[in-house]
Amino acid sequence: SQQGEEDPQALSIQEGENATMNCSYKTSINNLQWYRQNSGRGLVHLILIRSNEREKHSGRLRVTLDTSKKSSSLLITASRAADTASYFCATDAIVVGEYGNKLVFGAGTILRVKS
Amino acid sequence: DTEVTQTPKHLVMGMTNKKSLKCEQHMGHRAMYWYKQKAKKPPELMFVYSYEKLSINESVPSRFSPECPNSSLLNLHLHALQPEDSALYLCASSPWTSGRENEQFFGPGTRLTVL
Repeated sequence: SQQGEEDPQALSIQEGENATMNCSYKTSINNLQWYRQNSGRGLVHLILIRSNEREKHSGRLRVTLDTSKKSSSLLITASRAADTASYFCATDAIVVGEYGNKLVFGAGTILRVKS
Repeated sequence: DTEVTQTPKHLVMGMTNKKSLKCEQHMGHRAMYWYKQKAKKPPELMFVYSYEKLSINESVPSRFSPECPNSSLLNLHLHALQPEDSALYLCASSPWTSGRENEQFFGPGTRLTVL
């Protein structure tokens, strides 16, 4: 079953505005990661936040993590048309296999940035 | 080389065909993954290989058969598929090194259509 739920399902904004996406999850995690996927293509890793971190920045990206609420948010500031994509959160849960991490992806948010 | 490559990009096959998907990485990563992604859905984990051994099988039907010939290559053998198996198949790799966070690097995917 899916670990993460994301909202909104779809978001449409003007270029230059900020975009905020939220993710909730159900079980304990090692870390939470955000990925971007352009239409029908592979995923690109954006940022990783560890379970003992509360906030992380990378360029125009800001991620927060609240483990008490089991939720995370991704903020993209000063959005550009090139940011148009699907965004997924993925939880890296406590390792269940001997090696290799098992990411469980949220449902995703489709972001459209209009120029 | 920081790429994960996948071949073919597109594949159309009948239900009686046997075909294979290929994935390659030269980043020295020791964990490799197969995901299945249906349209407008998040990726779903199928298999995890670590140190060339199968470590996680997410109860995938036996008509999908993974193989890891060496640390750089990952194959997915397909036989007697059903139309509902049509999807984007994504390969990924991660360092799986002690002390490092294991973000995953994705290939562009193989778009599979089963007739």
